[in-house]
Amino acid sequence: AQTVTQSQPEMSVQEAETVTLSCTYDTSESDYYLFWYKQPPSRQMILVIRQEAYKQQNATENRFSVNFQKAAKSFSLKISDSQLGDAAMYFCAYSLRNSGNTPLVFGKGTRLSVIA
Amino acid sequence: NAGVMQNPRHLVRRRGQEARLRCSPMKGHSHVYWYRQLPEEGLKFMVYLQKENIIDESGMPKERFSAEFPKEGPSILRIQQVVRGDSAAYFCASSFSEEKLFFGSGTQLSVL
Repeated sequence: AQTVTQSQPEMSVQEAETVTLSCTYDTSESDYYLFWYKQPPSRQMILVIRQEAYKQQNATENRFSVNFQKAAKSFSLKISDSQLGDAAMYFCAYSLRNSGNTPLVFGKGTRLSVIA
Repeated sequence: NAGVMQNPRHLVRRRGQEARLRCSPMKGHSHVYWYRQLPEEGLKFMVYLQKENIIDESGMPKERFSAEFPKEGPSILRIQQVVRGDSAAYFCASSFSEEKLFFGSGTQLSVL
């Protein structure tokens, strides 16, 4: 079974600084998606960034980028120029890519605090 | 295009009562997923439905829990004879394809 591990229950960063959140996963599959979701206090799950495993290039969305190491099964999220609004729970997730829909497998999350 | 709508946002039930959670997917989406989030945990998959069909219910408890997605109307997650351990946030997500899920804001179920 696929598993996703986030080893940092809590992280903090100074406003305008850079922070990296870690995620590792376990799978025997070669074709899959990886995601980072943000969950603010409103509870809404917001997709931050997505990576297809067959793409070697790391995904980037504005201040958010990933370091995808397929061989090491590592998928870290880097947040640059951190803002107060970035404070939230961040969840790493995995999904098998096939012809049908497959459910997401989530890690336990990392709570990010941003210090003004 | 409205997002995924879940209601109620908060639901309080006494032990032994029934809980009904509703989810209206985004317009044009025919795939619906239900997830459960316990405190300080990530979301756990429960069930995946398409219109009038349950595709994957491998994450659903065998007893007391059921889900449907009728031809007309919202998807319903039903929990019979609730117990305190059912207290959690229940999230619905919908998609058009496998590439992107859109989540609702969840229903917080509290069992007294």
